[in-house]
Amino acid sequence: GAGVSQSPSNKVTEKGKDVELRCDPISGHTALYWYRQSLGQGLEFLIYFQGNSAPDKSGLPSDRFSAERTGGSVSTLTIQRTQQEDSAVYLCASSLGGFDEQYFGPGTRLTVT
Amino acid sequence: AQSVTQLGSHVSVSEGALVLLRCNYSSSVPPYLFWYVQYPNQGLQLLLKYTTGATLVKGINGFEAEFKKSETSFHLTKPSAHMSDAAEYFCAVSDISNFGNEKLTFGTGTRLTIIP
Repeated sequence: GAGVSQSPSNKVTEKGKDVELRCDPISGHTALYWYRQSLGQGLEFLIYFQGNSAPDKSGLPSDRFSAERTGGSVSTLTIQRTQQEDSAVYLCASSLGGFDEQYFGPGTRLTVT
Repeated sequence: AQSVTQLGSHVSVSEGALVLLRCNYSSSVPPYLFWYVQYPNQGLQLLLKYTTGATLVKGINGFEAEFKKSETSFHLTKPSAHMSDAAEYFCAVSDISNFGNEKLTFGTGTRLTIIP
């Protein structure tokens, strides 16, 4: 079956612009996670969704970052007024919850120039 | 707070040799433990995980790992390396007391190179 998909695969943006990153989880997966992979910080947790609610936003680095999930499915991560330090690969993962395996998407590589 | 330490950011082994990738964790209670592999330009794929029960866990592609509570370790091994094993490997933990939010805390990764 279809895995987790993310779009775009690559995004180059100018400093100060807003960007939206999309994640399509595996159908039926109620849990959805966003992680960020960067050279300086490694792999770090950003936000967790259970259904459409986000009980854990503790990993969002600043208030320029926000995310939503609609219909218990697609999630969008928005970064406002992008900065060069936002350059990273943004990974999305979904699971059935209950410590079931997290399935990762291929990521979106964001470059802020 | 949990943390994961992976000793050796780069490991090189000869084809056919033993692969040993080290992972130690720090946690107030024993966490659930995972190894993920990332091939170039791809997402992460689960190799194996330890939750409860047998401390020696077998995963895909011939890898296995042993949970040693006394050493707070979860080292990854494979008896004989293949060229296709070249990738980056991440050890991760999840707080078992945080049911309903199984977010992962990752180590910094080990890049495995296989020498022909």
